[in-house]
Amino acid sequence: NAGVTQTPKFQVLKTGQSMTLQCAQDMNHEYMSWYRQDPGMGLRLIHYSVGAGITDQGEVPNGYNVSRSTTEDFPLRLLSAAPSQTSVYFCASSYSMAGRGYTFGSGTRLTVV
Amino acid sequence: AQSVTQLGSHVSVSEGALVLLRCNYSSSVPPYLFWYVQYPNQGLQLLLKYTSAATLVKGINGFEAEFKKSETSFHLTKPSAHMSDAAEYFCAVSGSGGGADGLTFGKGTHLIIQP
Repeated sequence: NAGVTQTPKFQVLKTGQSMTLQCAQDMNHEYMSWYRQDPGMGLRLIHYSVGAGITDQGEVPNGYNVSRSTTEDFPLRLLSAAPSQTSVYFCASSYSMAGRGYTFGSGTRLTVV
Repeated sequence: AQSVTQLGSHVSVSEGALVLLRCNYSSSVPPYLFWYVQYPNQGLQLLLKYTSAATLVKGINGFEAEFKKSETSFHLTKPSAHMSDAAEYFCAVSGSGGGADGLTFGKGTHLIIQP
């Protein structure tokens, strides 16, 4: 049971480049979400999904796109990377029962130069 | 909308001393509350959660937290600190969707253990 798998673990992008951060879970969780972690800011919600085909915006969605074509996968796309998107990104998943808590991946450290 | 405030970005205690990390929340609906721990260069691990079953919640590694509705607090405690407890701790709350719309996190408290 791998849990929540994020790839890549590290990435350096040039300003303006695009890329996709991958997230996959093998626990048949309905809920999935993406967060970014910045020093002194805690974790902030970017996008979330309550099931395949259903996504919505979180607190800081600008510059990011998501889709959820399967229960297992929830990729995060950066359309045109900016230095302000330098951060550590975490994907998380949960069962659709209130209060179960989220399982987190190990993160992707992204640097935009 | 909900929010979480963690008092103290850094807390330092001696090994063997009481650990107390403070968390206050605001929520327009009965909340689900969580404490997560993050070790350096790792993801977040769930320590414990409050889901209205009991106000005193016990978690892993000897941690516990008490939900106090009147104080809108969910402070994390451990009777005796160990060096391995040094980490970043996050308090989080889920919203009206019961977690469907993700979690709202506090800014975190870095716990330092002095030998």
